[in-house]
Amino acid sequence: EVQLVESGGGLAQPGGSLRLSCGASGFPFRSYSMSWVRQAPGKGLEWVSYISSSSTTIYYADSVKGRFTISRDDAKNSLYLQMNSLRAEDTAVYYCAREDTRSSGCSFDYWGQGTLITVSS
Amino acid sequence: EIVMTQSPATLSVSPGEGVTLSCRASQSVKSNLAWYQQKPGQAPRLLIYDASARATGIPARFSGSGSGTEFTLTISSLQSEDFAVYYCQQSNNWPPLTFGGGTKVEI
Repeated sequence: EVQLVESGGGLAQPGGSLRLSCGASGFPFRSYSMSWVRQAPGKGLEWVSYISSSSTTIYYADSVKGRFTISRDDAKNSLYLQMNSLRAEDTAVYYCAREDTRSSGCSFDYWGQGTLITVSS
Repeated sequence: EIVMTQSPATLSVSPGEGVTLSCRASQSVKSNLAWYQQKPGQAPRLLIYDASARATGIPARFSGSGSGTEFTLTISSLQSEDFAVYYCQQSNNWPPLTFGGGTKVEI
């Protein structure tokens, strides 16, 4: 069974840092590209960042570029999001999501349960 | 950036009725369009990818159609478990990947 489990959420101060983790199981993690997607309270979905299966391709949304860093450790079956210079507008539930390899584009066939980040003083 | 616009924002229907949700892209996304369902407190669930292909385990009452800039998600006969928010997402021209604002299907 495919499972994605996020951790590392919590309360952070504006300007502070947090590191999110996503543990994967039930599939060959190293073979899949992954993304982080967030959802502010009561709002829609916003893609945050993408990392290819080989880590050779990395993308960020403009809203987080230069502040967030995505990475992965295939030996640990884990995906990470280092979040620096946090702002109030980064407050959201953060989901890790697996890219669906059947798709000719980039859709997400499995999602974690999400972890809440609250940025507030 | 490709802007995805979903309509209507809210749809009030009764169980057993059929519904059609719309998603429009600001420029062509070919068939690189996915639909997700999200229930309160849950993660999104992939329903449709490549505009019309049903994801694993998705009931046949869900169908997707369209290409280019106009897409629809049809639920042929609403079940109680289908009341949720539905999002479309394009992946033809990215980054960024972009989602529509969602359509809430309510009783």
